[in-house]
Amino acid sequence: DAKTTQPNSMESNEEEPVHLPCNHSTISGTDYIHWYRQLPSQGPEYVIHGLTSNVNNRMASLAIAEDRKSSTLILHRATLRDAAVYYCILRAWAYNTDKLIFGTGTRLQVFP
Amino acid sequence: NAGVTQTPKFQVLKTGQSMTLQCAQDMNHEYMSWYRQDPGMGLRLIHYSVGAGITDQGEVPNGYNVSRSTTEDFPLRLLSAAPSQTSVYFCASSYRTSNTEAFFGQGTRLTVV
Repeated sequence: DAKTTQPNSMESNEEEPVHLPCNHSTISGTDYIHWYRQLPSQGPEYVIHGLTSNVNNRMASLAIAEDRKSSTLILHRATLRDAAVYYCILRAWAYNTDKLIFGTGTRLQVFP
Repeated sequence: NAGVTQTPKFQVLKTGQSMTLQCAQDMNHEYMSWYRQDPGMGLRLIHYSVGAGITDQGEVPNGYNVSRSTTEDFPLRLLSAAPSQTSVYFCASSYRTSNTEAFFGQGTRLTVV
């Protein structure tokens, strides 16, 4: 299973942009890059995913390096509610197997 | 649309007891999985299923059994509970493609004494 590497923690001030990095040097051509976040005492929730091109949605943007060996989740204006653990995951589907393997994630602290 | 529903939300077991954690989804998802999360740690995959009648082991399967007789339900059975199984358990489901999001339940907090 392809692995991801993320910093243990990051800090931001409210209303500032946040760039959360993820390295995935062993990514294969069919792996999608997914991001989830987990708020305190809740289950993980989906944030965004992509394959090769940069992606935007109402929650965040995902910037994918040209060689796909790294990606960055961008929160354009951090709020206190964005304080969570953010997980970068590679997801690949093959016949009769489909694993979502979580790493340790990045704990984001947001200060007022 | 209820999403992914886990029951119970909290449970206390004595060592050696058995129990079943329930997980149900109403989105017709083929893929379902169980994770455990220990304090301060990430999620570890216990078992997963890509469809009714098909299950496979994840990273930490020992001490747990699963079966998938219907698309909607994916119960997790603890055969003989041990204190090391004290954890928060999450169930997830999604369509069977890597180009889609997974949905998670709110978790079951299990304490084995």
